[in-house]
Amino acid sequence: NAGVMQNPRHLVRRRGQEARLRCSPMKGHSHVYWYRQLPEEGLKFMVYLQKENIIDESGMPKERFSAEFPKEGPSILRIQQVVRGDSAAYFCASSGQVKNQPQHFGDGTRLSIL
Amino acid sequence: TQLLEQSPQFLSIQEGENLTVYCNSSSVFSSLQWYRQEPGEGPVLLVTVVTGGEVKKLKRLTFQFGDARKDSSLHITAAQPGDTGLYLCAGEDGGSQGNLIFGKGTKLSVKP
Repeated sequence: NAGVMQNPRHLVRRRGQEARLRCSPMKGHSHVYWYRQLPEEGLKFMVYLQKENIIDESGMPKERFSAEFPKEGPSILRIQQVVRGDSAAYFCASSGQVKNQPQHFGDGTRLSIL
Repeated sequence: TQLLEQSPQFLSIQEGENLTVYCNSSSVFSSLQWYRQEPGEGPVLLVTVVTGGEVKKLKRLTFQFGDARKDSSLHITAAQPGDTGLYLCAGEDGGSQGNLIFGKGTKLSVKP
């Protein structure tokens, strides 16, 4: 399967713990985007990364959230000291080398905060 | 702020009927994309429309981009239960480096 791979598919955390969500883009893709989807809401952009660079993080909450896309390995979305409001589906998308290529999505990580 | 509004929000029809869903904005988009999302899965890209007035067909699905590139429609002919899902339109945020703005979607249910 050469699609966008996200893991884990489901993640349960208690308030105050850390959540790490991983995304491996499609083969040959170097652009990664993270989106959050709340129940009955559309997908909201969070952050756009290329290898080792954050290009646009205008959709990221100012505190507790961070993202990286290292030279080797998957992109990581990290949420520290999680709160109930962080419960959502988090989707990763990737696109090809050239700007304005279509974005292809993974199946998401469903984060539940107890 | 660019917004995409989709209508209707919910649509329940019988197998064999035709339907149209809409995606509207007051802003111009360089392109619009249509996705279909099923429960527990990620959005799957159906089509990208780029040119004002463009019409694209994908089997029983017909996509149209408005002349002014502010709106789009998706028409399904002879709907089938397998068409059930959430249909999302998305456009590239003009002030961004490439991230997408999504509508809230149309939840379609096709009953046999």
